[in-house]
Amino acid sequence: QQQVKQSPQSLIVQKGGISIINCAYENTAFDYFPWYQQFPGKGPALLIAIRPDVSEKKEGRFTISFNKSAKQFSLHIMDSQPGDSATYFCAASDRYALNFGKGTSLLVTP
Amino acid sequence: EAQVTQNPRYLITVTGKKLTVTCSQNMNHEYMSWYRQDPGLGLRQIYYSMNVEVTDKGDVPEGYKVSRKEKRNFPLILESPSPNQTSLYFCASSSSGEGDTQYFGPGTRLTVL
Repeated sequence: QQQVKQSPQSLIVQKGGISIINCAYENTAFDYFPWYQQFPGKGPALLIAIRPDVSEKKEGRFTISFNKSAKQFSLHIMDSQPGDSATYFCAASDRYALNFGKGTSLLVTP
Repeated sequence: EAQVTQNPRYLITVTGKKLTVTCSQNMNHEYMSWYRQDPGLGLRQIYYSMNVEVTDKGDVPEGYKVSRKEKRNFPLILESPSPNQTSLYFCASSSSGEGDTQYFGPGTRLTVL
């Protein structure tokens, strides 16, 4: 069963806009929530990650918002650029197992 | 250069013909893992290893075997491949596994006819 639910499946955003991807989980034992970015033909690469003791983490144009009580977290990409076009995966970790969402295909149009 | 390498990158085989996909990392990482990626299903963990001679099942281990005899290598073995194992496979490694960045290899695209 999918332990991390991710939406939307695909997203089209205009250049300069905000891209928002949402994830939800059930297992309260998860204590590490990374986001991975994958370009075609490449392996996923860590983009940004958060632990449940903070509600927000920002790195450049990328921000994770975390709501522990709702068991939800989201990725915000500010000032989206065509180079951000990729597939994004949220994940949640409980010790050694990394559970991924199904992915969001983001297209940023010029 | 710190990296995870996989071989082969592409493989077409037939049902029942045993195959091995190799994975090697040069970062002295303790933790290594195998995932398969299928359209609409995301990445699913097959097996992982916390250290040499220590392995455990992930979410979809059926039909796969692994071994960890050396720290740097973590091969994935399909003893009798079937068409439903046609997929894109990724190996990953991290320093300790728990809450650590996982570094992914470039992927192996496997087709089983």
